Amino acid sequence: GAGVSQSPSNKVTEKGKDVELRCDPISGHTALYWYRQSLGQGLEFLIYFQGNSAPDKSGLPSDRFSAERTGGSVSTLTIQRTQQEDSAVYLCASRERGQGTSGANVLTFGAGSRLTVL
Amino acid sequence: GQQLNQSPQSMFIQEGEDVSMNCTSSSIFNTWLWYKQDPGEGPVLLIALYKAGELTSNGRLTAQFGITRKDSFLNISASIPSDVGIYFCAGQSFGSGTYKYIFGTGTRLKVLA
Repeated sequence: GAGVSQSPSNKVTEKGKDVELRCDPISGHTALYWYRQSLGQGLEFLIYFQGNSAPDKSGLPSDRFSAERTGGSVSTLTIQRTQQEDSAVYLCASRERGQGTSGANVLTFGAGSRLTVL
Repeated sequence: GQQLNQSPQSMFIQEGEDVSMNCTSSSIFNTWLWYKQDPGEGPVLLIALYKAGELTSNGRLTAQFGITRKDSFLNISASIPSDVGIYFCAGQSFGSGTYKYIFGTGTRLKVLA
């Protein structure tokens, strides 16, 4: 698509439930990133995909968090047994392939999925 | 997680004034990016910098890539009300086959008409 698409835009859930957040990157972009933004805070790196593999998942805060990417396109971030501290905006960004190519180093973000855990 | 030092944290300025904000890091980066985030939206790229010492303009915005590759600044001239938002810097590095992007803590800009 023309931009990075994320769904749902808003999700309210009860503590202990599982949630899935979806990211549809720009067509042709091979790299995909997930970030978390807590209220009034900066962007916290969660995980990075190159194609369908995740070379860097060092930012996932606990084993309740997982992510996958299929077909080199759509990615799903899953949070199991949600806690109130998981409430945040989850941002997805994609980047086209192009190691060493200046213009390809730019991340393009989606509008985010706002998660509220009651 | 790791974040860059960005200052100031917030600014209240009068319309028409110039604005300056900066980011510093203990690490070297290959690329510096500046983004603006409006409420309820994702960050949008303003300026990308690829070489140490590079000075780049985009309309009323000017940004520079520090010579040491550890810092960058963003200037906004003659601010207008629609400049309000959160400005983030991001440093990009490449190592172990991975591109990493580290973001600053953000500068919250409010413009008084």
